[in-house]
Amino acid sequence: ELKVEQNPLFLSMQEGKNYTIYCNYSTTSDRLYWYRQDPGKSLESLFVLLSNGAVKQEGRLMASLDTKARLSTLHITAAVHDLSATYFCAVDIQGGSEKLVFGKGTKLTVNP
Amino acid sequence: SQTIHQWPATLVQPVGSPLSLECTVEGTSNPNLYWYRQAAGRGLQLLFYSIGIDQISSEVPQNLSASRPQDRQFILSSKKLLLSDSGFYLCAWSKGLGDEQYFGPGTRLTVT
Repeated sequence: ELKVEQNPLFLSMQEGKNYTIYCNYSTTSDRLYWYRQDPGKSLESLFVLLSNGAVKQEGRLMASLDTKARLSTLHITAAVHDLSATYFCAVDIQGGSEKLVFGKGTKLTVNP
Repeated sequence: SQTIHQWPATLVQPVGSPLSLECTVEGTSNPNLYWYRQAAGRGLQLLFYSIGIDQISSEVPQNLSASRPQDRQFILSSKKLLLSDSGFYLCAWSKGLGDEQYFGPGTRLTVT
């Protein structure tokens, strides 16, 4: 059974600082997704990573995928308050599946 | 472009009452459809997914059921709600197996 672990689950950081959220998964996969959820809102797609070594960047966020290590990272550069949200990674079982397996989410709070 | 709708947006129901939540997708055909539940401050729990009309898989045994009467319509139902059914219900769709999922705005259900 595929397991997806995110850490940390809670992250409080100061504006202007850098930090990385990790997403580990337990079986082979080459498709991974990152989502953002604001409080009380739905999930919004951030990044789609479809191959080993894939790197995507949007503003202060950068996501990468290492399929050999079964690890994805979401790096935050010079955090700002607007990045406060919960971030989920989701993994597809290799070979295709009707469903993704989601991590438990990382709740990020950026303090002024 | 594709859009996904859910209604109602919020719902307060007494214990033992029935439930019907609706999800519709526009702008695509034969989508894979999903129902998730998110308890307060928690991760996503996949409840049901469907790869076609009348083709529904249940992930978690419970007092909920799902139906797909039309290609782009997915309904979540219950005959008798429990307190533990309270949560944020999210519908999602994807094009293919293991593809990126796109989420609807969600329904917040409170069972009293």
